[in-house]
Amino acid sequence: DSGVTQTPKHLITATGQRVTLRCSPRSGDLSVYWYQQSLDQGLQFLIQYYNGEERAKGNILERFSAQQFPDLHSELNLSSLELGDSALYFCASSDPHGGDNVLTFGAGSRLTVL
Amino acid sequence: GEDVEQSLFLSVREGDSSVINCTYTDSSSTYLYWYKQEPGAGLQLLTYIFSNMDMKQDQRLTVLLNKKDKHLSLRIADTQTGDSAIYFCAENGRLAFGKGNQVVVIP
Repeated sequence: DSGVTQTPKHLITATGQRVTLRCSPRSGDLSVYWYQQSLDQGLQFLIQYYNGEERAKGNILERFSAQQFPDLHSELNLSSLELGDSALYFCASSDPHGGDNVLTFGAGSRLTVL
Repeated sequence: GEDVEQSLFLSVREGDSSVINCTYTDSSSTYLYWYKQEPGAGLQLLTYIFSNMDMKQDQRLTVLLNKKDKHLSLRIADTQTGDSAIYFCAENGRLAFGKGNQVVVIP
């Protein structure tokens, strides 16, 4: 157990639908990161939050949004889902005061869009 | 394009050494990392090297850093079946991992 908790582990839904993925960071970590892993694109950085504020943005589609709440958990919202959104979505957290910026990853949420 | 370039499939016999490589773009990176992703799991930090070092040895792992060419390599000595995984290199600040190197260890 890495200390980063992601739910749900698996999710199957249909095109056009909307889903929310949830992440609880490791205790004491203020930064949360979201990544998408697919076979053809590899591991793509989507977005980072630090203490509730957006810190960095990567290849996140406009149909996707995220937020980090005061208790530091984060949610990734995926809407108007397409077949190509099927992927593993990872959350990671880090302690920004650690200096080395090591990321601790959750086990991922596997999304299948049919 | 990707900030970190790596995409390789490597098959290695148990007990042999394996070497995986990666190139990165951000010369200001303070740390460079190797992460390991076992089947069905998230990434775990394997090792990292501070950018002012050329080499770091950690048990069976040797990390080599060529700052001039922005090239990072990971050597795994006495490769074991538990080393079968996808290996990602990453640089701090860029948050980019690339496609990874898949290593399959044959018993």
